[in-house]
Amino acid sequence: ELKVEQNPLFLSMQEGKNYTIYCNYSTTSDRLYWYRQDPGKSLESLFVLLSNGAVKQEGRLMASLDTKARLSTLHITAAVHDLSATYFCAVEEGGSNYKLTFGKGTLLTVNP
Amino acid sequence: NAGVTQTPKFRILKIGQSMTLQCTQDMNHNYMYWYRQDPGMGLKLIYYSVGAGITDKGEVPNGYNVSRSTTEDFPLRLELAAPSQTSVYFCASSYWVAGNTIYFGEGSWLTVV
Repeated sequence: ELKVEQNPLFLSMQEGKNYTIYCNYSTTSDRLYWYRQDPGKSLESLFVLLSNGAVKQEGRLMASLDTKARLSTLHITAAVHDLSATYFCAVEEGGSNYKLTFGKGTLLTVNP
Repeated sequence: NAGVTQTPKFRILKIGQSMTLQCTQDMNHNYMYWYRQDPGMGLKLIYYSVGAGITDKGEVPNGYNVSRSTTEDFPLRLELAAPSQTSVYFCASSYWVAGNTIYFGEGSWLTVV
């Protein structure tokens, strides 16, 4: 059974600081997704990582994938309040017809 | 752009009642999914479909049924509602190409009392 673990689960940051959210998973996969969820809202796709060494950046967020270590990171640079949200990673098990297993999410709060 | 549309957004059910959550997508996606999200948790897959007439169980299918008679629609039926089914339900869809985004609906908040 595929297990996906995120850490930390709660993160309180000051504006302007950098931090990294980690996503570990238990079985072989080369497809990993990052989503953002605002309170009471749906999930918004941030990144799709499809191969070992993949790196994608959008604004202050950068995601990477190391399939050998079974690890993805979401790096936040110079955080701003608008980044406050819950961030989920989700892993697609090989050959699973796009079935995703989600981590529990990281609740990020960026304080002025 | 409608995307993935779910109805209803909110519903309170009594124990033992049944209901159907509707989901429709207008992107001609072949893959559709139903997830549930419990408080403070990630999403768990209930059922999925790879095309009209084809459905399969996900991680937590007990107490639910689905059908997929058309490409656009993927309703989720709750039979004999139980308090454990209190959750937020998300429908999603995608097109089967590696790396394609999976699009989620706005969610349906269901409370069973």
